Amino acid sequence: SQQGEEDPQALSIQEGENATMNCSYKTSINNLQWYRQNSGRGLVHLILIRSNEREKHSGRLRVTLDTSKKSSSLLITASRAADTASYFCAPIVSGSARQLTFGSGTQLTVLP
Amino acid sequence: NAGVTQTPKFQVLKTGQSMTLQCAQDMNHEYMSWYRQDPGMGLRLIHYSVGAGITDQGEVPNGYNVSRSTTEDFPLRLLSAAPSQTSVYFCASTSLEGWGNTEAFFGQGTRLTVV
Repeated sequence: SQQGEEDPQALSIQEGENATMNCSYKTSINNLQWYRQNSGRGLVHLILIRSNEREKHSGRLRVTLDTSKKSSSLLITASRAADTASYFCAPIVSGSARQLTFGSGTQLTVLP
Repeated sequence: NAGVTQTPKFQVLKTGQSMTLQCAQDMNHEYMSWYRQDPGMGLRLIHYSVGAGITDQGEVPNGYNVSRSTTEDFPLRLLSAAPSQTSVYFCASTSLEGWGNTEAFFGQGTRLTVV
């Protein structure tokens, strides 16, 4: 399976600051997705970036992808207390083994 | 549009009991999967299915059975529950069309405790 590994494991920032979390993976991918999980809830899709894209924006989210380094980053600008959640990446590999897998996530805490 | 529905939300089992966790989706998704989430472990893939009649094992399949008789439903069976299966279980679905180019939808989870 192609499992992304998020880093750092935990991140604590003040409201209004930017939060950056990273994802590393091992093999070539078609695209990469980021998800958010609020405490005790199911994952919710945030953004998808394709392998031929280097950067993508959605509201306060900015995602980058560096396929040469096999890494992606998620930046949340002007964070809010409501952004407190766990964030997961899911590298998507083509082929017959179509598994959607996740790492351990980054636990983000935004302090008011 | 209900999305992905998991039942029950909470369950307490005694060791050795059996039960089925239900998962249903109304989006006509071919791909469905089950995960377990333990503290600090992230989501680990148990089983997945790419269509009716087709299932395959994920990272942690032991102790769990699945079947996929319809597109909509993907139940997860615990034949003889063990305390090590205490966890939160999530079901997800997504379209196979352009694999990975569409988002996956998750249920709200089933919190299972085995005593």
